[in-house]
Amino acid sequence: DAMVIQNPRYQVTQFGKPVTLSCSQTLNHNVMYWYQQKSSQAPKLLFHYYDKDFNNEADTPDNFQSRRPNTSFCFLDIRSPGLGDAAMYLCATSSRTGDWTQYFGPGTRLLVL
Amino acid sequence: DAKTTQPNSMESNEEEPVHLPCNHSTISGTDYIHWYRQLPSQGPEYVIHGLTSNVNNRMASLAIAEDRKSSTLILHRATLRDAAVYYCILYNFNKFYFGSGTKLNVKP
Repeated sequence: DAMVIQNPRYQVTQFGKPVTLSCSQTLNHNVMYWYQQKSSQAPKLLFHYYDKDFNNEADTPDNFQSRRPNTSFCFLDIRSPGLGDAAMYLCATSSRTGDWTQYFGPGTRLLVL
Repeated sequence: DAKTTQPNSMESNEEEPVHLPCNHSTISGTDYIHWYRQLPSQGPEYVIHGLTSNVNNRMASLAIAEDRKSSTLILHRATLRDAAVYYCILYNFNKFYFGSGTKLNVKP
């Protein structure tokens, strides 16, 4: 089945130690998104790629970076994780030629020690 | 950016209809109204979307006010599997802005 895959499902890192979360998709969608979701809150859009064009939200901290080496993969890099970055990170995709429905992965839960 | 307002929580009995409201008074003419739901420990999943007219699909119905400043998601017969957080979202130009969501509890 076509899907959005996120690895790992759980990630533990240390304060200040860089961490990378990965997302892959088999839907061949040209738009990929990264969201941050803290406990009991709604997902918050960090940035998205439209093909290779990177679009950053104005309030996304510089500590968060992203890479999209090809259509299928997208990475979220947190350069120096702080305790406040502990959250669920959700990847999603959508297609410009479709109805813009977003397909979400299961998320990666990040714990910062 | 346009925002949505939803009640924090609602409760329903199993097998009864549920009407989940959403206010979006600052909606612009090009904003689509999307609804997603999120079960515990899962990513959000698509439920339904519309622009101006009411919409139906196998999961739910979406009723959009004539002035588009509010909408209602209708689950015709709630089941225990429908217990989730329901988000009303305005979509525009590749961006989804999630509202705070309504937590739906379904009682057997």
